[in-house]
Amino acid sequence: GESVGLHLPTLSVQEGDNSIINCAYSNSASDYFIWYKQESGKGPQFIIDIRSNMDKRQGQRVTVLLNKTVKHLSLQIAATQPGDSAVYFCAENPQTGGFKTIFGAGTRLFVKA
Amino acid sequence: NAGVTQTPKFRILKIGQSMTLQCTQDMNHNYMYWYRQDPGMGLKLIYYSVGAGITDKGEVPNGYNVSRSTTEDFPLRLELAAPSQTSVYFCASTQQENTEAFFGQGTRLTVV
Repeated sequence: GESVGLHLPTLSVQEGDNSIINCAYSNSASDYFIWYKQESGKGPQFIIDIRSNMDKRQGQRVTVLLNKTVKHLSLQIAATQPGDSAVYFCAENPQTGGFKTIFGAGTRLFVKA
Repeated sequence: NAGVTQTPKFRILKIGQSMTLQCTQDMNHNYMYWYRQDPGMGLKLIYYSVGAGITDKGEVPNGYNVSRSTTEDFPLRLELAAPSQTSVYFCASTQQENTEAFFGQGTRLTVV
């Protein structure tokens, strides 16, 4: 069935280092992918998205990479800060019913000062 | 601009009780969603709506009902609360397909 999963449930990085959070998806027909950040006690917040006709997209301190060949998505955070500590979810929208987002289980990012 | 607003923030229910989780958005979004999030897990879609008067089941609809009488409001109803419905519930909205979702702050529900 369709699934979006994460390789590492917990990631610990030193402040100032770069973080890489990985995600595997199984539906090769999905054409829209999103990363969300969820801080404790809050709802998920959009970080960055990418469509299937792209392989890289950059935002402010964040970059999303999409490798459709191996169905892999990653989120790179540059110069990680304590405020980046949160749970990060990757999500995919299937090509049909592109509003029924499928969420992965999440990766918790700890930033050590 | 408040975005997506959910009430209440917390609630404790006894088994068999009923309640309605309220959700309203002021962004004029057509698409609205209800998710539940169990501890250490991702979000699972309960119900969704593509516009006023139109609702449909998501991945885990059993034990829940929804209505969408206006564009702004999308309440979620639990008729006979069960311990398995202990979870955090999030309401969300999107402007159209394949766009970012805006989430409410969540409702933490405990059924005892």
